Amino acid sequence: EAQVTQNPRYLITVTGKKLTVTCSQNMNHEYMSWYRQDPGLGLRQIYYSMNVEVTDKGDVPEGYKVSRKEKRNFPLILESPSPNQTSLYFCASSYDRTGPTYGYTFGSGTRLTVV
Amino acid sequence: SQKIEQNSEALNIQEGKTATLTCNYTNYSPAYLQWYRQDPGRGPVFLLLIRENEKEKRKERLKVTFDTTLKQSLFHITASQPADSATYLCALSPGGYNKLIFGAGTRLAVHP
Repeated sequence: EAQVTQNPRYLITVTGKKLTVTCSQNMNHEYMSWYRQDPGLGLRQIYYSMNVEVTDKGDVPEGYKVSRKEKRNFPLILESPSPNQTSLYFCASSYDRTGPTYGYTFGSGTRLTVV
Repeated sequence: SQKIEQNSEALNIQEGKTATLTCNYTNYSPAYLQWYRQDPGRGPVFLLLIRENEKEKRKERLKVTFDTTLKQSLFHITASQPADSATYLCALSPGGYNKLIFGAGTRLAVHP
């Protein structure tokens, strides 16, 4: 089944403790992206990648890092999480490296709570 | 400033009627506009994409229009069913940018 897999689904952590949210897609998609979703604010893009070893900032990149060492994986790293990073996170992928010319396939989400 | 606006109030309609959701944008010149469905606690699911040179796109009971003069897209669900109840997100791609920007969504409730 074609899908984007995120792990974990739920995570509670403490301020300052480094964490990684994994994202993997099995569709050989070029483009991958991370979004966070907060009530009333909609989905906001954190980082995106158009190809292996090519990443770029989205609209809210502060406090996050990403890497794209393999085509299928695009982990999101929070080096020192803070409470304002409590949110619902989604990974997405798309066939076209430019992203928006095809629909995005989203993962099921990771609900992160930083206390 | 650049904005995408969707009605924040829920849309309540009777089963069998046509639901119409609105997406307005300002200070963008989008090359593409997409619509997604999102159920509570789940990831958005892609429904339709329409290009700037297309006026209308259909898929089964769904229809999307795109008016670049009015800076507006309308999303229609005909013969609506309770299973259509969800939040619907509008997203656009600003010309020349490799990104998709989302509106906050409109919740649709279809009552039997």
